[in-house]
Amino acid sequence: AQSVTQLGSHVSVSEGALVLLRCNYSSSVPPYLFWYVQYPNQGLQLLLKYTSAATLVKGINGFEAEFKKSETSFHLTKPSAHMSDAAEYFCAVSWNSGNTPLVFGKGTRLSVIA
Amino acid sequence: GAGVSQSPSNKVTEKGKDVELRCDPISGHTALYWYRQSLGQGLEFLIYFQGNSAPDKSGLPSDRFSAERTGGSVSTLTIQRTQQEDSAVYLCASSLIVVQAGGDTDTQYFGPGTRLTVL
Repeated sequence: AQSVTQLGSHVSVSEGALVLLRCNYSSSVPPYLFWYVQYPNQGLQLLLKYTSAATLVKGINGFEAEFKKSETSFHLTKPSAHMSDAAEYFCAVSWNSGNTPLVFGKGTRLSVIA
Repeated sequence: GAGVSQSPSNKVTEKGKDVELRCDPISGHTALYWYRQSLGQGLEFLIYFQGNSAPDKSGLPSDRFSAERTGGSVSTLTIQRTQQEDSAVYLCASSLIVVQAGGDTDTQYFGPGTRLTVL
């Protein structure tokens, strides 16, 4: 069965500092991997996705993630945090394509300190 | 045009009552998903519709939960005899299966959710 582990339920960074949110997955087949962001009282918004093309994926709002098969990881990074990045971030995996049900990690809440 | 919409945005009900939650997917999206987001369980898949195929109900937590999708578009999630543990945010998503000009497959677009509180 597929699973997703997000290390750290809460990450706090200073404004302008590097953002690193960790995601590891287990999948018996090549996965499709996603990062979603959720702002308070809103639905989920796609940040970026990996679908077996380039291993370094660039998304919206300056975020990017690198698929590392050997480490079964798909960590999310951003060089410089903004106050507006404060939100909940979810890593998700699907076994076939993005058009099958997603398995989500527990989420990481990002706080940005001025 | 518009994104996924859900109604109501908030629903408060008494234990034992039935509730219906509605989802309007993005026009042209043939796949529709229901997820539940709760403090204890995180984000969980409930049910998945794809075109005219039989829905994948493998995520429904009990037989009190059911969903239908009429005309390949609007979907209704029904919870019968609600329990306090059903309190959660219910999220709907839709995706495009067939590649169309300007379309983006492999991406689920989420609605804002319905917050259900069972007293």
